[in-house]
Amino acid sequence: QKEVEQNSGPLSVPEGAIASLNCTYSDRGSQSFFWYRQYSGKSPELIMSIYSNGDKEDGRFTAQLNKASQYVSLLIRDSQPSDSATYLCAVSPYSGNTPLVFGKGTRLSVIA
Amino acid sequence: GAGVSQTPSNKVTEKGKYVELRCDPISGHTALYWYRQSLGQGPEFLIYFQGTGAADDSGLPNDRFFAVRPEGSVSTLKIQRTERGDSAVYLCASSVTGARTDTQYFGPGTRLTVL
Repeated sequence: QKEVEQNSGPLSVPEGAIASLNCTYSDRGSQSFFWYRQYSGKSPELIMSIYSNGDKEDGRFTAQLNKASQYVSLLIRDSQPSDSATYLCAVSPYSGNTPLVFGKGTRLSVIA
Repeated sequence: GAGVSQTPSNKVTEKGKYVELRCDPISGHTALYWYRQSLGQGPEFLIYFQGTGAADDSGLPNDRFFAVRPEGSVSTLKIQRTERGDSAVYLCASSVTGARTDTQYFGPGTRLTVL
């Protein structure tokens, strides 16, 4: 059973702070890793993708991947109230074409 | 351009009835995925199409669930003899080729309620 684990939260941070979201996965053969944002009642929207160990930065977002520890994280700098949403970690567990395995999501609340 | 569209947006049915949910992917996307999301959970994979064929249907929970994509574009998810436990948001996603690095773009979902 391929599993992706996330703390369900809620994670509350003040506006302007750094929000840190974490995810672990069970399949050591996983190849691709994605962070999706989901506003209440809406569909998931891709925020970041990462495929190699290390950091990947895009604007206020940084994804971090450590395959040895089977750990992926998302940092949101200068958090804004509009960042308040559920963040879903998704893992592609096989090489080649593949569906995603999602975690349950972490609910983030940015307090103004 | 247009994104992934799904119809209906909401479907209420009675236990035991048959339902069809439709997904229209982004034009040109060969890969199409169906997921199901229950309250407080992440999306759960159901079935993946590459073109017209089901490349992976390992996520379908039982034989009441079936999906088709006859012309390699629009897909229909069919649920027979619906049960209350089938109530969820059914999400469709598409990607350009289905490669592991492809972005999957999600539609708005169909909220199914089985009474």
